[in-house]
Amino acid sequence: DQQVKQNSPSLSVQEGRISILNCDYTNSMFDYFLWYKKYPAEGPTFLISISSIKDKNEDGRFTVFLNKSAKHLSLHIVPSQPGDSAVYFCAAADFGNEKLTFGTGTRLTIIP
Amino acid sequence: ETGVTQSPTHLIKTRGQQVTLRCSSQSGHNTVSWYQQALGQGPQFIFQYYREEENGRGNFPPRFSGLQFPNYSSELNVNALELDDSALYLCASSQRRMNNEQFFGPGTRLTVL
Repeated sequence: DQQVKQNSPSLSVQEGRISILNCDYTNSMFDYFLWYKKYPAEGPTFLISISSIKDKNEDGRFTVFLNKSAKHLSLHIVPSQPGDSAVYFCAAADFGNEKLTFGTGTRLTIIP
Repeated sequence: ETGVTQSPTHLIKTRGQQVTLRCSSQSGHNTVSWYQQALGQGPQFIFQYYREEENGRGNFPPRFSGLQFPNYSSELNVNALELDDSALYLCASSQRRMNNEQFFGPGTRLTVL
């Protein structure tokens, strides 16, 4: 039962363009969402988060959008840079429960 | 500020053996969670420890057990290893607070032959 889904295993984007990574969830109890970035041989690194009381959160080049009615969130990276090439994981939690439920990841490749 | 560290980096065991993986939390963090990441999958929650007590468990059998020590470091023990236990084991620490992000270590790559 995959409660957090990332349906695109991979994505290639030209440097300087916008990268959009998508994530869907099925558990309506989830109310906090995070994006992690993972390089090979390293642990996931926290990128940005959003709580269910918001529909958008921005941090520099990274913006996360949340559509609760569609149970969908997306991560926008603009402009994309070569150092953004990594695997991106979407994760979700319900309030007060620090257990994170992860998606399967999307491998983003930025083409110079 | 020291980040999350894990040891060993890599480990090879045979089926039926037992293994202990170690984790040192980030300074100031009192909660540690363990995750298993199989190849091509996202991390799967194993369990969490807060103030030396188990504080939530995922869908893993009892042969997966853990400990948290007074200095908030932690161990993951796996008994009777199976081939499917081959995975990257990630430790994450956090300061127990609602919806706080977790900080991950680099992981231990376990191979069971």
